[in-house]
Amino acid sequence: DAKTTQPTSMDCAEGRAANLPCNHSTISGNEYVYWYRQIHSQGPQYIIHGLKNNETNEMASLIITEDRKSSTLILPHATLRDTAVYYCIVRVVSGQGTYKYIFGTGTRLKVLA
Amino acid sequence: NAGVTQTPKFRVLKTGQSMTLLCAQDMNHEYMYWYRQDPGMGLRLIHYSVGEGTTAKGEVPDGYNVSRLKKQNFLLGLESAAPSQTSVYFCASSWAGNNQPQHFGDGTRLSIL
Repeated sequence: DAKTTQPTSMDCAEGRAANLPCNHSTISGNEYVYWYRQIHSQGPQYIIHGLKNNETNEMASLIITEDRKSSTLILPHATLRDTAVYYCIVRVVSGQGTYKYIFGTGTRLKVLA
Repeated sequence: NAGVTQTPKFRVLKTGQSMTLLCAQDMNHEYMYWYRQDPGMGLRLIHYSVGEGTTAKGEVPDGYNVSRLKKQNFLLGLESAAPSQTSVYFCASSWAGNNQPQHFGDGTRLSIL
């Protein structure tokens, strides 16, 4: 299974863009990259996902390198409420026609006032 | 719209006791999942279900059983609880098919003494 590598922690000033990197060098061609975040001990919250093209939604942007071996999640204007653990996840094909997430240990983002 | 609801939120058990964790979703999702999260780690998949009456093993299934008698409910059972099963348990659900993100509940915090 493909695995991800993320920095353990990062700080970002409030109002600035937060750029969270992720390495997934063993990703296969049909495996998607998903990003979730977990605030305190709540359930993970979906942010964005992509396969090979850059993606943007109301929460964030996802930049995937051309060789798909790494990606960056961008929070364009970080707020204090964005302080959380951010997980870069590779979704792999599982049995019975479904998929499973391979979680890493995540990046603890702290947004500073 | 409640999304994914987990019951109970907290529980303390003695070694050898049994219990069932309930997950209910009101989004009519086909797929449901049970994960566990240990301190400082990402989530690991225990069991999952692709539809009513079907279940399958994930990464760490030993010591757990599951049932999906109704589409909206997914039950996780511990027949004889062990201290190693002290963890936070998360349930998730998703639509079937490619490209569908999983939606998580807020977890059940279980301590085995």
